[in-house]
Parts: sequence; C-alpha cells; structure tokens
Amino acid sequence: AQSVTQLGSHVSVSEGALVLLRCNYSSSVPPYLFWYVQYPNQGLQLLLKYTSAATLVKGINGFEAEFKKSETSFHLTKPSAHMSDAAEYFCAVRRSASYDKVIFGPGTSLSVIP
Amino acid sequence: KAGVTQTPRYLIKTRGQQVTLSCSPISGHRSVSWYQQTPGQGLQFLFEYFSETQRNKGNFPGRFSGRQFSNSRSEMNVSTLELGDSALYLCASTGRGNTEAFFGQGTRLTVV
Repeated sequence: AQSVTQLGSHVSVSEGALVLLRCNYSSSVPPYLFWYVQYPNQGLQLLLKYTSAATLVKGINGFEAEFKKSETSFHLTKPSAHMSDAAEYFCAVRRSASYDKVIFGPGTSLSVIP
Repeated sequence: KAGVTQTPRYLIKTRGQQVTLSCSPISGHRSVSWYQQTPGQGLQFLFEYFSETQRNKGNFPGRFSGRQFSNSRSEMNVSTLELGDSALYLCASTGRGNTEAFFGQGTRLTVV
C-alpha cells in the first residue's frame, strides 16, 4: 500500500530564508510524485511533479524538489521564502500514470515571518 | 481552457438531510475523483469515475455515493448527513496523457 509522510505539520521560516519541506513515501512500484499548494479556502494547485524523467524537478514560484529513490524522499525546497509562500503544502503519490487515486500526505503549514 | 468547476462553493445543511455536489471537469478529461478534506483527517479519497464507471472507492460508508454522466460531469451525494460530514469536498479531473490531477475550488459543506 502506498503512503506519504511529511515531517513537521508546521514550519516557520523568515522571509528570504531557505524553505525545506520534507516528504517521504512508500510504494511498491516506482511512483509518480507531486507537490500541491493550498491557500485558505481554495483548491489544490500543482507546484511540481516527478514522472521519472529527471530526479531534480523545477516547479512554479521558484520551488523545486529532488527525487531520491534510495531515501524514498521527495523534499521540496525554495532558496528564498516570500511572504506569499505562506500556505499549506501537500506531498502526494500516484501509482499509475493517470487512472489511479492520489494519496496525500498530512500536509505542512508554512508560515513566513517578515 | 476552463478549469475544474465545483458548485456550489458553500452549503449549509441540517443533520439528517441529504446533499448533492456537482463537478464539471476540464474539457476532454474523463477521469473525475472526489476527496474529503477535514482538519482532523486531512485529504481522504472518496471515489474515482472514468467513463461513467466507478473504478476506485475509498473507505467511506455507503451514505457517500457518486455518479458520472456521459459528458464526464460528476455528482456526489451524501445521504443522512452527520455533523462529521462537515468538510471541504474537492473534485479533481485527469486527462489522457496527464499524470497529475487538476483540482477545483471545492465545496465547503457545513452540517448543523
């Protein structure tokens, strides 16, 4: 069975500091991995996805993530936090290309301190 | 291209009533999934439809049901509402050749 864990339900960083949100997955087959962001009272917006083409994936708003199979990790980073980055972030895994359920991690709430 | 549209955005119902939520996927997308989001349980998968057939189902009671129409629009129904059904219900669609799911804004259901 697939599962996703996110270390830290809440992370606070100073504006301009590095953002690191951790994600580990378990999957019996090489998965498709995603990071989504959710702003208050909004749906989920895709930040980036890993589909085995490259281990370092660049997404929107300056975010990137690195797939490490040996560590079963897919951590999200951004070199310099901006106030607008404050939101809830979800790591997710999908077993097959299109037609399978997405399993979400519990989410990490990111606060950015001015 | 229009995104995933969910209606209504907000809904208040009384315990014991039933409710129907609607989702229009991105044009051309044939897979529609539904998720329940609550502060305590996070994002939980309800079910997934493809070409009017339910292909996956999460671990929810039979009070939760859904269907998909020939135009890929989907509805989910919750009967005999309970206070614990208060949540944000999210719909997502996936198209052929995509790996990611595209989400709507959600329907905020409050049961009183």
